[in-house]
This record gives sequence, C-alpha cells and structure tokens, in this order.
Amino acid sequence: QKEVEQNSGPLSVPEGAIASLNCTYSDRGSQSFFWYRQYSGKSPELIMFIYSNGDKEDGRFTAQLNKASQYVSLLIRDSQPSDSATYLCAAKDNYGQNFVFGPGTRLSVLP
Amino acid sequence: EPEVTQTPSHQVTQMGQEVILRCVPISNHLYFYWYRQILGQKVEFLVSFYNNEISEKSEIFDDQFSVERPDGSNFTLKIRSTKLEDSAMYFCASSEGRPSSGNTIYFGEGSWLTVV
Repeated sequence: QKEVEQNSGPLSVPEGAIASLNCTYSDRGSQSFFWYRQYSGKSPELIMFIYSNGDKEDGRFTAQLNKASQYVSLLIRDSQPSDSATYLCAAKDNYGQNFVFGPGTRLSVLP
Repeated sequence: EPEVTQTPSHQVTQMGQEVILRCVPISNHLYFYWYRQILGQKVEFLVSFYNNEISEKSEIFDDQFSVERPDGSNFTLKIRSTKLEDSAMYFCASSEGRPSSGNTIYFGEGSWLTVV
C-alpha cells in the first residue's frame, strides 16, 4: 500500500516567518513529488513539483527532496496570511498515472 | 489561463439515484482523471482515462462508477445507485501528457455531491 504521510497540523507561524512543511512516503518507487495548496472548499492548486534530490526554489517556495530518507519538504519564506491553507503532498511513480496524496498539513499564518 | 471546468458545482441527490458529473478538461490535454475528497479526508484517486479508455483505476472505482468521453470536449463520471458514503467533492483533472516529472495534473474546481 503506497502511503504519503503528513502532519495534519495546524502549523501556526507568524507573518514573515519561514513555514516548514514535511512529508514522507512509503513507496521507494515514487519518482515525482508535488506540493498543492488547497483553500477550504476549493480545489488543489499546484505550487511546485520536484523529482531530483536536493532543493528547488520558486519565488518564496523551496521544495526539498531526499529520496534516501523518503522525505519531501516545502519551505515558505516570508509567510503571508494569504498562505494560510492546507498543503497537500503528492507522490507518483514512473509507471502509474495516479497521484497518491497525503492528508495535508493545515498552515495558519498569523498577522 | 486554460482551466478545467466542472458542472454542477453542487448537487444534492437522493440515495439510490444516478448522478452524472461533467468536466471539460484543458483543450490540449490528453489524460483525464477523477479524484474525490470526502469532507475532512485526503484526496483519493478514482480513475484515469487516455485514448478513450480507462488506463488505471483504484479500488474505489467499482461497478457503481463509469466514465465516458461522449464527445471531443466533455469527460463525465457517472455514479449509479448513489449511497450516503458517496457524498464528497469530486475533482476532475487533466494533464498534457503522461504524468511524470514534466507533466503535472491540473484540477477543476470540483463538484460537491451530497447524497441524502
């Protein structure tokens, strides 16, 4: 059974701080990893994806991947209240077409 | 910006009735998906569709469910004989190519199904 685990939170950070969101996955065959943001009652919105070990930066967001530890993280710098949402981690292998989603971490950025 | 559109946004149906959820994927996308999210739970894969046939499906996608691409633009999910536990947000999604490091999936706004 392929599983993606996330701390459900809520994770509370003050405005301007760095928010660190973590995700682990069980399937060593997973090759691509995606971070989605989901506001309450809305659809998941892609933030970024990563498939190589190391860091990948896009604006205020940095994704980190460590395949040996089966660990993915998302850092949000200069957090804003508008970043308050649930962040979904998803993993995919190279063979199937479905994404396996984690339960999401609820982030609350306090003004 | 191109987007996946879904209708209806919200549907209430009686238990045992049939429901059809409709989706218009992004026009140049070739892979289509249905996911669902029960309130407060994780997003779950139902089915993927490519080249006019199901390419992958989950254990959730049993005989109660079917998908169809009736024309060149629409992609539908039919749920027969709905049960209370089918109440969820159903997301349609599409991707340009096979999901991989270069292709990701884009979600529609969802259809919220309530079975009473």
